[in-house]
Amino acid sequence: EDQVTQSPEALRLQEGESSSLNCSYTVSGLRGLFWYRQDPGKGPEFLFTLYSAGEEKEKERLKATLTKKESFLHITAPKPEDSATYLCAVHYSGGYNKLIFGAGTRLAVHP
Amino acid sequence: EPEVTQTPSHQVTQMGQEVILRCVPISNHLYFYWYRQILGQKVEFLVSFYNNEISEKSEIFDDQFSVERPDGSNFTLKIRSTKLEDSAMYFCASSESAGGVYEQYFGPGTRLTVT
Repeated sequence: EDQVTQSPEALRLQEGESSSLNCSYTVSGLRGLFWYRQDPGKGPEFLFTLYSAGEEKEKERLKATLTKKESFLHITAPKPEDSATYLCAVHYSGGYNKLIFGAGTRLAVHP
Repeated sequence: EPEVTQTPSHQVTQMGQEVILRCVPISNHLYFYWYRQILGQKVEFLVSFYNNEISEKSEIFDDQFSVERPDGSNFTLKIRSTKLEDSAMYFCASSESAGGVYEQYFGPGTRLTVT
């Protein structure tokens, strides 16, 4: 069974059109939820860590939030350079320090 | 800004050959990892390494795989006899410590192609 599910699989936005990406998780004992950005052929680039429900983090046009079941990555007024795959990963108490990744959301922002 | 580096960026090998993928983690980090990503699939955990020993490994990490920290800076992944299904991007990552929840920083990856 999937422990980390991301939706949508792909999202196409016009420049300036705000939207949200979803990451739902079913692991118990969540210790941290991570958001990464991945450009084609590159390694995941760390964006945010969220530790507990209600927490929010912001960086430029990105804002990440966390509830007990899911996390959202809100993108405000995106630009073409925000185009990438956004990955969600969880660290849970039964998993030592490994991260369990979702499949990602491919975001394309068109001018 | 410190970063994880990996060499080579692309490795082509024939089935049955041994390959060694190399990584230089961030210098003050203590916990090291290998992940892989088959084209179009999720990033998957392979192994974690702390204090010169494996702390956890996945089902993928069978006897054909091994890891080593041969000196104070390098961290390697060896695949003894490569198979076609080992073709993937291999990412090294490191984190500051192991006792809490620490961000893992990833390298740019090595694309392994097994023919």
